[in-house]
Amino acid sequence: DTGVSQDPRHKITKRGQNVTFRCDPISEHNRLYWYRQTLGQGPEFLTYFQNEAQLEKSRLLSDRFSAERPKGSFSTLEIQRTEQGDSAMYLCASSSDRISGNTIYFGEGSWLTVV
Amino acid sequence: AQSVSQHNHHVILSEAASLELGCNYSYGGTVNLFWYVQYPGQHLQLLLKYFSGDPLVKGIKGFEAEFIKSKFSFNLRKPSVQWSDTAEYFCAVNNYGGATNKLIFGTGTLLAVQP
Repeated sequence: DTGVSQDPRHKITKRGQNVTFRCDPISEHNRLYWYRQTLGQGPEFLTYFQNEAQLEKSRLLSDRFSAERPKGSFSTLEIQRTEQGDSAMYLCASSSDRISGNTIYFGEGSWLTVV
Repeated sequence: AQSVSQHNHHVILSEAASLELGCNYSYGGTVNLFWYVQYPGQHLQLLLKYFSGDPLVKGIKGFEAEFIKSKFSFNLRKPSVQWSDTAEYFCAVNNYGGATNKLIFGTGTLLAVQP
C-alpha cells in the first residue's frame, strides 16, 4: 500500500501522560499536514510542513502539542500532559506541489482516547 | 477567515432517490473546492474537485458537483443513490495559490441510504 500510513491506529492513555503519533506520507510528497477530527465535526487544520520546515501552525495547537518532520519524510505529532479534551482522531495528510492539482491524500487516522 | 457551511447534518434516503448536499463557503478570492467521502471505518477519500474551467465537475461513483460562484456554493449531487453510498460527506475549500494549500472543511453530512 502506498498511501499515507499512521501509527498507532488507536491509543488509550491516562490524563497527564504523553503520546506520540507517527505519519509516513506518500513517497515523494513534500507537503505534510496534521488535522484533528472530533465526532460530528469536520477535520480541523493543526499544522503544515513543506519538506522539513513547519510553515504554519493553527491556534488550536497549544504549547502541549509539537510536530516534527526531521528529514522531510515521516512526521511525528507529540501531545504532552494529555487532557480529556485531546480525545479525537488525529489525521495526517500529504500532497505534492510538483503534481498538477496538488490533491491532498489522507491517512486512516490515529484515534486518541484520554481517560 | 475562510469557512465552509454544510447545512444538512443528517440525510436519510431510500435507494434510487436523488441526492443533493449543500455546501457554501466564505472567501473573497479564488478558491479550489473539494468533496471528500468517508465510508464507515475508512479514511477520507477524494470524491471530486474543482480547480477551474467547467463549473460542473464529475467525480467517482456517479457523483457530480456544480460550482456557482455568485452563490459561493458547491453542491454535491447524485441522480440515484445506492446503499453503498452510506457515508459521511465533507465539503472543503482552499485558497488558490495559497502558501500552504491547507483545506478548510465543513462539519460534514452523514448520509444513510436505506435498501
